[in-house]
Amino acid sequence: AQSVSQHNHHVILSEAASLELGCNYSYGGTVNLFWYVQYPGQHLQLLLKYFSGDPLVKGIKGFEAEFIKSKFSFNLRKPSVQWSDTAEYFCAVNKIGSQGNLIFGKGTKLSVKP
Amino acid sequence: NAGVTQTPKFRVLKTGQSMTLLCAQDMNHEYMYWYRQDPGMGLRLIHYSVGEGTTAKGEVPDGYNVSRLKKQNFLLGLESAAPSQTSVYFCASTGERGMSYTFGSGTRLTVV
Repeated sequence: AQSVSQHNHHVILSEAASLELGCNYSYGGTVNLFWYVQYPGQHLQLLLKYFSGDPLVKGIKGFEAEFIKSKFSFNLRKPSVQWSDTAEYFCAVNKIGSQGNLIFGKGTKLSVKP
Repeated sequence: NAGVTQTPKFRVLKTGQSMTLLCAQDMNHEYMYWYRQDPGMGLRLIHYSVGEGTTAKGEVPDGYNVSRLKKQNFLLGLESAAPSQTSVYFCASTGERGMSYTFGSGTRLTVV
């Protein structure tokens, strides 16, 4: 079955630490890739997305992600996290040519200690 | 403001009651989706629609029905609510190419 896997359920970091959240997908063919963030009690907000071209994508709030096609991965990174980055992060994928259904990973909760 | 509007924002139901969640978008999007979000499960697709008058099942459709009588509205119905349907429900829409999604602010439903 097609799926999106996020390897870490809960990540705890201190401020200024570097962040990398893993995301792997199991679709064949061409995909669009997304990272969303959900702050406590809020709805989803798009961090960044990848469709084609440069596999290193820069998003809002200093986040970036790298698409590695051979590894079916789209990992999210940030060089130095802040307390305000405490949130849940979701990787999502849709398959080009499909019904546009966006399939989500189970999410990674990030806690940043001040 | 352009976007996706969900009503209601909160609701408490008793087991066996029915209700309808409304999703309205004003962006002329063809595709609309209903997701449920549960702790540790991410967002799971309940039903979706690829255009006015069409609906299709997603990953977790049991216990829900949907209708898309007008292009701008996508209704999610619970005919007989169960405690397992306690969740946060999100609606989303996208244009044909699925390259940008707009999410509603969610409906928190509790079934007691």
